[in-house]
Amino acid sequence: AQTVTQSQPEMSVQEAETVTLSCTYDTSENNYYLFWYKQPPSRQMILVIRQEAYKQQNATENRFSVNFQKAAKSFSLKISDSQLGDTAMYFCAFMKHGGSEKLVFGKGMKLTVNP
Amino acid sequence: DAGITQSPRHKVTETGTPVTLRCHQTENHRYMYWYRQDPGHGLRLIHYSYGVKDTDKGEVSDGYSVSRSKTEDFLLTLESATSSQTSVYFCAISTTSGAYNEQFFGPGTRLTVL
Repeated sequence: AQTVTQSQPEMSVQEAETVTLSCTYDTSENNYYLFWYKQPPSRQMILVIRQEAYKQQNATENRFSVNFQKAAKSFSLKISDSQLGDTAMYFCAFMKHGGSEKLVFGKGMKLTVNP
Repeated sequence: DAGITQSPRHKVTETGTPVTLRCHQTENHRYMYWYRQDPGHGLRLIHYSYGVKDTDKGEVSDGYSVSRSKTEDFLLTLESATSSQTSVYFCAISTTSGAYNEQFFGPGTRLTVL
């Protein structure tokens, strides 16, 4: 079974600064996907970024980028130029390739961006 | 939002009563999922469906049943609600575009069992 660990339950950052959210996972699979989801106070789950395990290049989406270390089973999210709207819960998630495409989530981390 | 709606959005019920939550999608996706979200646990999979009448259990399926008689609807039933089932429930669908797989979530249902 796969597990996802987010060891930092809460972080805060000043507006315009950079922050890194950590995530580690455990799996015996070789083909899988990793995701970061954002959940603002509205409760809506929003996909932030996705990484395919077979790709060595780290994914980037505007101010969001990941540091994917497959051997270390580490998948951190970097948010550059933090904005007040980035305040949210952030969840790291794992999906095995193929089959039922179930997501396994970490427990989440609350990020607060301060003005 | 990938055309996913959930009903009701909020519900308060009493212990021992049956409760059914509905998830509706408009885009004919094959896979549908029910998760529950609790503080300190993230989201955990309850049940999922891979087609009409095809369902399977997830990590926390005890006390829940599901049904899918149409592609667009996935129902989650609590036969006899308990206080431990107070939670926020999310429905999701999985989309595949070429080599990519993503899940999109509905807006959630907040259920309180008194």
